[in-house]
Amino acid sequence: NAGVTQTPKFRVLKTGQSMTLLCAQDMNHEYMYWYRQDPGMGLRLIHYSVGEGTTAKGEVPDGYNVSRLKKQNFLLGLESAAPSQTSVYFCASSSGGSSGSYGGEQFFGPGTRLTVL
Amino acid sequence: AQSVSQHNHHVILSEAASLELGCNYSYGGTVNLFWYVQYPGQHLQLLLKYFSGDPLVKGIKGFEAEFIKSKFSFNLRKPSVQWSDTAEYFCALGSKSARQLTFGSGTQLTVLP
Repeated sequence: NAGVTQTPKFRVLKTGQSMTLLCAQDMNHEYMYWYRQDPGMGLRLIHYSVGEGTTAKGEVPDGYNVSRLKKQNFLLGLESAAPSQTSVYFCASSSGGSSGSYGGEQFFGPGTRLTVL
Repeated sequence: AQSVSQHNHHVILSEAASLELGCNYSYGGTVNLFWYVQYPGQHLQLLLKYFSGDPLVKGIKGFEAEFIKSKFSFNLRKPSVQWSDTAEYFCALGSKSARQLTFGSGTQLTVLP
C-alpha cells in the first residue's frame, strides 16, 4: 500500500516551459488536492477534486491547470512556468463519508521540489 | 470564510522542556481540527485530530491538544520535548462548508540537545 505518490521528486524548468506533475493514490479516496508550500506561508491550496472528472479552484489557482480523468490520479499542469512558481508542491487525498468528506483527514505525498529559472 | 492563525513562527526549546504551540481559528460552525508535523525534508504527517467528543485529544509521540470552543483554540502540547521533535508544525481546520482544509502558516520548532 503505497499511499500517495508524486512524480517527479525534483524538477528544474526555464521560464516559459511547461510540465505536468503526477499524483497517484491507492486508497480509493474520492477527494484529491494540490498545494504549494512556500517559506512562512504554510500550505496554500491550488486546486482540488471531489471526484473523478471534477475539479475546483483553491486559493491560488492562477497559472495552473488540473485534471482528474481517473479516480486514482490527479495531474497538475504548468502551461508556461514563471519564477514565482518555484515552490514545493504537495498532493493530498482524503476519503468521502460523514467525517471525511467535509474537511476530513488528508494524506500527503512526499512532494515535488520545482525550481523555475 | 475560515482561517487559522499560528502566532508562534519559530520556537526554540531545550530537550525536556515543555511545549505549547498556539492555534486559533475563525469559523462559526462545526469544525474538525488537525495538527500535522513535517520533519525536515519530509511530507506532512498527521499528529492528531479532533472531530467531536472529548476535547482533549491524544496523538502520536506523546503529543496532545485541547479544543476550547469558547476560545476558538486548539493548542498543541507535549510535556517533555526531544531533539527528534524538531520539525514544522501545522494546525488545520476543516468544516462542513468547505471540502478542504485551511492550514495555518506553521510553527518551526527547534529542540536543542
